[in-house]
Amino acid sequence: AQTVTQSQPEMSVQEAETVTLSCTYDTSENNYYLFWYKQPPSRQMILVIRQEAYKQQNATENRFSVNFQKAAKSFSLKISDSQLGDTAMYFCAFSPLESYDKVIFGPGTSLSVIP
Amino acid sequence: DGGITQSPKYLFRKEGQNVTLSCEQNLNHDAMYWYRQDPGQGLRLIYYSQIVNDFQKGDIAEGYSVSREKKESFPLTVTSAQKNPTAFYLCASSIDQIGTGGQETQYFGPGTRLLVL
Repeated sequence: AQTVTQSQPEMSVQEAETVTLSCTYDTSENNYYLFWYKQPPSRQMILVIRQEAYKQQNATENRFSVNFQKAAKSFSLKISDSQLGDTAMYFCAFSPLESYDKVIFGPGTSLSVIP
Repeated sequence: DGGITQSPKYLFRKEGQNVTLSCEQNLNHDAMYWYRQDPGQGLRLIYYSQIVNDFQKGDIAEGYSVSREKKESFPLTVTSAQKNPTAFYLCASSIDQIGTGGQETQYFGPGTRLLVL
C-alpha cells in the first residue's frame, strides 16, 4: 500500500528564519508526482509546489523549495524567509503517474510563524 | 475567473435528513473529488469521478452518494446513513485525460463545513 508520513505534527519558526518540513512516502511505483499543499486558517487547500519523480532537479517556487531524495523516498519542504502568512497546515501528497489511483495525503504538519 | 466553487459555506443537518453539498468548476477539468477533513486530521477521500456519468468510491464512501451528470458539477449528498457527518468537506478537480494515465495537480474549492443540529 502507498503511504505518506509526516513525522512532525507541529513546528514553529521565527519570522524571517528558515524551516524544513519532513515527508516520507512508500511506493513501488517508479513514476509519480509529489506535492506540498498549504491549508491556512481559511481552510482552503492551496498548492505550494509540485515535483515529478522523473526529474532530478529539485522544484523551487519563490521562497519554497524541496529536497527530493528518490532513493530514500523523502520529499522535504524548505521555507526560506518565513512570513506570518506562512502559518498553516502543510500536507505532503503523492500521486502515481501511470495508474488511475487516487492521491494520497499525509496527516499534515501545523506550522506557526512567530513574530 | 476560473476556479472551483462550493456552496454553502456552512450547512446544518437535522437528524435523519439528507443534505447536498454543491461543487462546481469552470476549469474544464475531467476529474473531480470529494474529501472529508476532521479536526486536526488529514484528508480522506469519499468519492471521485474521472469522467461524466462515472464515479468511484473512495476510502469512506459509506453514508454518502454522488452524481456526475455534467462535467463541471459533482454534488455530494450526505445521507441519513452517515452517523457522524460533522466535518469539513473539500471538493477538488484535476486534469485527468483519458489515455494518459495518472492524475495532474488537484485544485481545491473553499470547502463546506457541515454541522449537525
